[in-house]
Amino acid sequence: NAGVMQNPRHLVRRRGQEARLRCSPMKGHSHVYWYRQLPEEGLKFMVYLQKENIIDESGMPKERFSAEFPKEGPSILRIQQVVRGDSAAYFCASSPRLPPYEQYFGPGTRLTVT
Amino acid sequence: DAKTTQPNSMESNEEEPVHLPCNHSTISGTDYIHWYRQLPSQGPEYVIHGLTSNVNNRMASLAIAEDRKSSTLILHRATLRDAAVYYCILIEEYGNKLVFGAGTILRVKS
Repeated sequence: NAGVMQNPRHLVRRRGQEARLRCSPMKGHSHVYWYRQLPEEGLKFMVYLQKENIIDESGMPKERFSAEFPKEGPSILRIQQVVRGDSAAYFCASSPRLPPYEQYFGPGTRLTVT
Repeated sequence: DAKTTQPNSMESNEEEPVHLPCNHSTISGTDYIHWYRQLPSQGPEYVIHGLTSNVNNRMASLAIAEDRKSSTLILHRATLRDAAVYYCILIEEYGNKLVFGAGTILRVKS
């Protein structure tokens, strides 16, 4: 059973460009979460999605960030018009539908904005 | 989400047991106790969870106090590969997001 997959592992974007981060959950998992870890800071929740639905986006910045988890295909975290402050490690996690809802994390995408 | 309190750092010798404490005095009756760890430059890794009873798995053991206001993650024989930040997190019964604190930095000496 393959783990959570994220790609790309490293992404370099210039200021003003768009970044698209992909996450494929573990087989059988229908819950996906995105977290961000800024340099020298802790992990912060961004958004929680189930297939075709955003359940909790309380941690998402109000502008430029969006997430989706379509019926088919991976979950996508999209950052428009990136700025240097978006440079961080972005981790995706997936979880089964049953309690206690343990989460399994991917290796992360390290975004660098130049 | 209920908060947890962990020591900032701990040190252990290789091959010795390690007890990582966590206080969660405001835990509610339906909160699960989860432990995760993050090795350098990697994503967090689920370690173990419990509700009321002590739990064992291939990675670690979790000892939960009778009043559930504290718990201890036990690594039976620390190895250099166990050096990581360990997070104790409470999850509500229908909870979703993980709220990471600062965790405990575990250093393992050879």
